[in-house]
Amino acid sequence: DQQVKQNSPSLSVQEGRISILNCDYTNSMFDYFLWYKKYPAEGPTFLISISSIKDKNEDGRFTVFLNKSAKHLSLHIVPSQPGDSAVYFCAASGLGNEKLTFGTGTRLTIIP
Amino acid sequence: EPEVTQTPSHQVTQMGQEVILRCVPISNHLYFYWYRQILGQKVEFLVSFYNNEISEKSEIFDDQFSVERPDGSNFTLKIRSTKLEDSAMYFCASNPSNYGYTFGSGTRLTVV
Repeated sequence: DQQVKQNSPSLSVQEGRISILNCDYTNSMFDYFLWYKKYPAEGPTFLISISSIKDKNEDGRFTVFLNKSAKHLSLHIVPSQPGDSAVYFCAASGLGNEKLTFGTGTRLTIIP
Repeated sequence: EPEVTQTPSHQVTQMGQEVILRCVPISNHLYFYWYRQILGQKVEFLVSFYNNEISEKSEIFDDQFSVERPDGSNFTLKIRSTKLEDSAMYFCASNPSNYGYTFGSGTRLTVV
């Protein structure tokens, strides 16, 4: 039962351009959405989050958009930098301390 | 910045042996979790722990698994009789109470 889906396993973007990573979910009880960045042999590192009461949250080069009616969120990275190359996971939860349900991840490669 | 520490970073064990994975969560956090990631797959929730008891567990977390917070600082995951399919990266996480998950860098468990 894939409640959180990332349909693009990989994405390549030129340095300086915008990277857009997408995520869809099915569970309407999810209240909070997060994006994590992960390097091999390391734990997920928190990037940015958004509550279901908002439709946009911005933090520096990272912006997350939430479309509740479509059950879709996206992460925009602009401008993309070589250090952004990693696997990006979206995750969702109910209340603040509930478990996270992760998507399958998108491997982002920034081309210099 | 406070971090979640996991030891060992890599554990190799024979099938049928018991393993204990150790974690030191962030000291003022109240909620503790174990997640795992089988190679090439998504990060999956195993168990959450609050107030010295399990608050939620997944289908994966069967009778072979147990968690303990033996001394107020460490948080351990024990697998009683390891199987080949237990080979994965195991991540510990802690949360103060409100979406502030911090993940450790993981323990790679290899069952041979």
